[in-house]
Amino acid sequence: QKEVEQNSGPLSVPEGAIASLNCTYSDRGSQSFFWYRQYSGKSPELIMSIYSNGDKEDGRFTAQLNKASQYVSLLIRDSQPSDSATYLCAVNTGNTDKLIFGTGTRLQVFP
Amino acid sequence: GAGVSQSPSNKVTEKGKDVELRCDPISGHTALYWYRQRLGQGLEFLIYFQGNSAPDKSGLPSDRFSAERTGESVSTLTIQRTQQEDSAVYLCASSRGLSYGELFFGEGSRLTVL
Repeated sequence: QKEVEQNSGPLSVPEGAIASLNCTYSDRGSQSFFWYRQYSGKSPELIMSIYSNGDKEDGRFTAQLNKASQYVSLLIRDSQPSDSATYLCAVNTGNTDKLIFGTGTRLQVFP
Repeated sequence: GAGVSQSPSNKVTEKGKDVELRCDPISGHTALYWYRQRLGQGLEFLIYFQGNSAPDKSGLPSDRFSAERTGESVSTLTIQRTQQEDSAVYLCASSRGLSYGELFFGEGSRLTVL
């Protein structure tokens, strides 16, 4: 079982729709959860961080964390073509700052 | 500059040669990470330094790979006797600590082994 799992996609959504990206993780001791966006040929950049169960909203983005079920998700409302990128889920291991990334989900937003 | 700096940005080498990649983290960041990203793939964890603690080397794929960091400053990733499967972008990132937030990534070093 991989430590952090994501569906590779591509996930295709029309402009203006809600894109839902999911991630599961194996370490029950994980405490820090991140979503990064990576455009082709560029380095990853942080979208959201979340540390507690529940929802965290920032603009069009909402991160959701459920530690009991060991999943974290990212919702993108009013999706735009500029949101087309690969979204990487990252989770720390145990009580350390070692950060493991999933393989990423490619999102395509079409006009 | 204020960001994470990596050099070289591009490196082409012949199979069997040694290469050294450098990362200069953001000043004051105690944590430094190296990841490998093959074309079209995710980020593969290689090694993680936290302050003066022993590094977590659990992701290094073979004994041809090694990394050093002096205190909380520059880190070098060395690949000995390079193989074609080592071709990838090597990304360095630094952080004050995950409880403070994100990793900041450099632009990466693209390694091509012929």
